[in-house]
Amino acid sequence: NAGVMQNPRHLVRRRGQEARLRCSPVKGHSHVYWYRQLPEEGLKFMVYLQKENIIDESGMPKERFSAEFPKEGPSILRIQQVVRGDSAAYFCASQGTRGDKEAFFGQGTRLTVV
Amino acid sequence: QQQVKQSPQSLIVQKGGISIINCAYENTAFDYFPWYQQFPGKGPALLIAIRPDVSEKKEGRFTISFNKSAKQFSLHIMDSQPGDSATYFCAASNGQNFVFGPGTRLSVLP
Repeated sequence: NAGVMQNPRHLVRRRGQEARLRCSPVKGHSHVYWYRQLPEEGLKFMVYLQKENIIDESGMPKERFSAEFPKEGPSILRIQQVVRGDSAAYFCASQGTRGDKEAFFGQGTRLTVV
Repeated sequence: QQQVKQSPQSLIVQKGGISIINCAYENTAFDYFPWYQQFPGKGPALLIAIRPDVSEKKEGRFTISFNKSAKQFSLHIMDSQPGDSATYFCAASNGQNFVFGPGTRLSVLP
């Protein structure tokens, strides 16, 4: 977990609002993964990004969800028009390069939609 | 083919006992197999990992056994302690993303 910073740790949104989750990877890491975890369940892959590129978004819902990892600044997972079913813990993991293999997770953002 | 199966779903072990968690995969393109430990309210923490060119890796009380031909790998926790009580996830990676097993909730009784 060292070095991967996620904020906010907790986020409450009303139905229909937008949620923005931020992830700052380990310094020097250029690969970021986002995962969603429902209570008492496992980690579901959402998206894999490199700086300025989306490599694999096969786990992202087709609508309302988007992710970016700009050249400067944190990776952002955006959920538009949130619904109750979006309530979950969202984790990001960072990796140096593919060859490094090791991926380190942040502490997560717990989104609650009321 | 992207699925990673994990068992048991939950495990109760007495202090000092051996905890064993098993995982199986299908995609032969996977070439990195980490285990993560997650405490409630926390993010998953990398515990130990193995590549398919070795059959076993040991770090302290934690050992991964890897059977490439059977496409199975397991985590052994020797001398299990109450502090080991957590959820354990196995994962497999082909460099594109990490596929996680559903997790095993381990409870070590004092």
